Amino acid sequence: LAKTTQPISMDSYEGQEVNITCSHNNIATNDYITWYQQFPSQGPRFIIQGYKTKVTNEVASLFIPADRKSSTLSLPRVSLSDTAVYYCLVGDTGGFKTIFGAGTRLFVKA
Amino acid sequence: SQTIHQWPATLVQPVGSPLSLECTVEGTSNPNLYWYRQAAGRGLQLLFYSVGIGQISSEVPQNLSASRPQDRQFILSSKKLLLSDSGFYLCACHGTSGTETQYFGPGTRLLVL
Repeated sequence: LAKTTQPISMDSYEGQEVNITCSHNNIATNDYITWYQQFPSQGPRFIIQGYKTKVTNEVASLFIPADRKSSTLSLPRVSLSDTAVYYCLVGDTGGFKTIFGAGTRLFVKA
Repeated sequence: SQTIHQWPATLVQPVGSPLSLECTVEGTSNPNLYWYRQAAGRGLQLLFYSVGIGQISSEVPQNLSASRPQDRQFILSSKKLLLSDSGFYLCACHGTSGTETQYFGPGTRLLVL
């Protein structure tokens, strides 16, 4: 399973765009990149998943360069309620083990 | 979509006492199930996973055990709790959409005193 590296924490202000980058140098051909969000005392919640290029949904965008050795989660116009821990994970669709790293703790200020 | 139930929501237990945390899943059949533990301010540590009834794989050596007596039931147990067993325990289910996403239960916060 590919290991991921993310910044420990980030600060932002309401209304700004936040980009969190994750490194996964050993990503395998079959691996997808998935991001989760976790609020205190809750389980992680799926945000977005992608394989290559760009994926966008109603919550976020995910940018994946051609070499797939990194990915960037983009949160447009964050609000205070986006303060949470964000996890980047890498795994294949047929696999059944997901390794969570320490995640990135995002603080959104007023 | 899947719904995961966990109970109890919170638990305070003395050192040396037994433990039983239960997780049940609705809305799917033959799911992959997982137990995670999260210490305060830390990431998730995978403890056990199961791909079917009676099939348990342990990721870390510890005094905890897991069982899957039914397809959609996953139980985390201990015969004697340690102080270090305190934490937030999460049960998760592998999604059925074919992509590598997991759905998590509400969690059980365990405090061992």
